[in-house]
Amino acid sequence: DSGVTQTPKHLITATGQRVTLRCSPRSGDLSVYWYQQSLDQGLQFLIQYYNGEERAKGNILERFSAQQFPDLHSELNLSSLELGDSALYFCASSTPKGINTGELFFGEGSRLTVL
Amino acid sequence: SQKIEQNSEALNIQEGKTATLTCNYTNYSPAYLQWYRQDPGRGPVFLLLIRENEKEKRKERLKVTFDTTLKQSLFHITASQPADSATYLCALASYNTDKLIFGTGTRLQVFP
Repeated sequence: DSGVTQTPKHLITATGQRVTLRCSPRSGDLSVYWYQQSLDQGLQFLIQYYNGEERAKGNILERFSAQQFPDLHSELNLSSLELGDSALYFCASSTPKGINTGELFFGEGSRLTVL
Repeated sequence: SQKIEQNSEALNIQEGKTATLTCNYTNYSPAYLQWYRQDPGRGPVFLLLIRENEKEKRKERLKVTFDTTLKQSLFHITASQPADSATYLCALASYNTDKLIFGTGTRLQVFP
């Protein structure tokens, strides 16, 4: 158990809908990272937050947005869903000193299926 | 453009042999490189980190090398076991950023 909690574990929805994925980092970790993993794309970096502020951005679509709240949990919002958004979405956290001193701790992921 | 390449073909080896996985990168100046293990349907799990000024790092049966001239890292598992069967991902990060970029991974299958 990494200590990173993601909900829901599975989600099935229709095209055009909006969903919210939630992540609670390990106790004491200030950084939260979101990744998308699909079969043909591998693990794609979406966005990172540090103590409530956006720190780094990857190839995140405009239809996607995220935020980190004062209690450090984070939410990833996906809107106007398309079939191609079906993927595993992982959240990860790192120690306050940052990932240059160690690893990312990944949650078990939220599997999104868009029908 | 920046690219991290791992062999997309699965690596099949016999138990007890040494597995060697390759990670090549282009258009990167990484400060450090990490290796992760991922089992099907699970989140990646950290294995090792190596910095650009380190040539080699070891942890139990694992060894990682980092050659910034060749722009390549090699990941070795000695005395491999069927339990080592998984997908192995390399990931790079540059200085002054916390953005960790992953390769597509190589699936390792160790058979008895």
